[in-house]
Amino acid sequence: GQQVMQIPQYQHVQEGEDFTTYCNSSTTLSNIQWYKQRPGGHPVFLIQLVKSGEVKKQKRLTFQFGEAKKNSSLHITATQTTDVGTYFCAGTSSGNTGKLIFGQGTTLQVKP
Amino acid sequence: DAGVIQSPRHEVTEMGQEVTLRCKPISGHNSLFWYRQTMMRGLELLIYFNNNVPIDDSGMPEDRFSAKMPNASFSTLKIQPSEPRDSAVYFCASSYGTLAPNSPLHFGNGTRLTVT
Repeated sequence: GQQVMQIPQYQHVQEGEDFTTYCNSSTTLSNIQWYKQRPGGHPVFLIQLVKSGEVKKQKRLTFQFGEAKKNSSLHITATQTTDVGTYFCAGTSSGNTGKLIFGQGTTLQVKP
Repeated sequence: DAGVIQSPRHEVTEMGQEVTLRCKPISGHNSLFWYRQTMMRGLELLIYFNNNVPIDDSGMPEDRFSAKMPNASFSTLKIQPSEPRDSAVYFCASSYGTLAPNSPLHFGNGTRLTVT
């Protein structure tokens, strides 16, 4: 079945350093979404990518969708303590209507 | 917009008891998802509905789990009998639409279930 793998599982950075999490799917995706979950909270939608090679930015966050639509990345420039949390990618396989599968997530800790 | 509402927030029960988790999706959303989150297994999709009809329940662990959506504004996830390994945070999420690309999921605050 469809699998979405995410690395690394954990990342500790010093405030001001950059951070990247990578997402890989076993199948071609029709779209990929990214979510952030703060400790004790629930996942909150950040962005969706649909097109092959698509790049989107939200302030210090840059999201990419691979050319083959099987991988994605989230890059945070100059991390802040407010970036702490777990970042999840979630994808839907092409032809698989509605079934959104989440990666295991990358938990980011930022040391002030 | 009240968001997705789940109840209860916390549930502690003894092994063998029946547990019912409740969810009210955002008004106007026609897709509803139940996820389970644990440290070991992450966010697992249990079942999802579209227009109140179960579309895919392949993630439901076993026959002890059942889910219903009697109308567009209410869904339940029932575990009978409950077991300690069912302890997890159960999230309900809703969205509008069915076919890919999906629209964003809006998650509720979750129900933290502890089975002793």
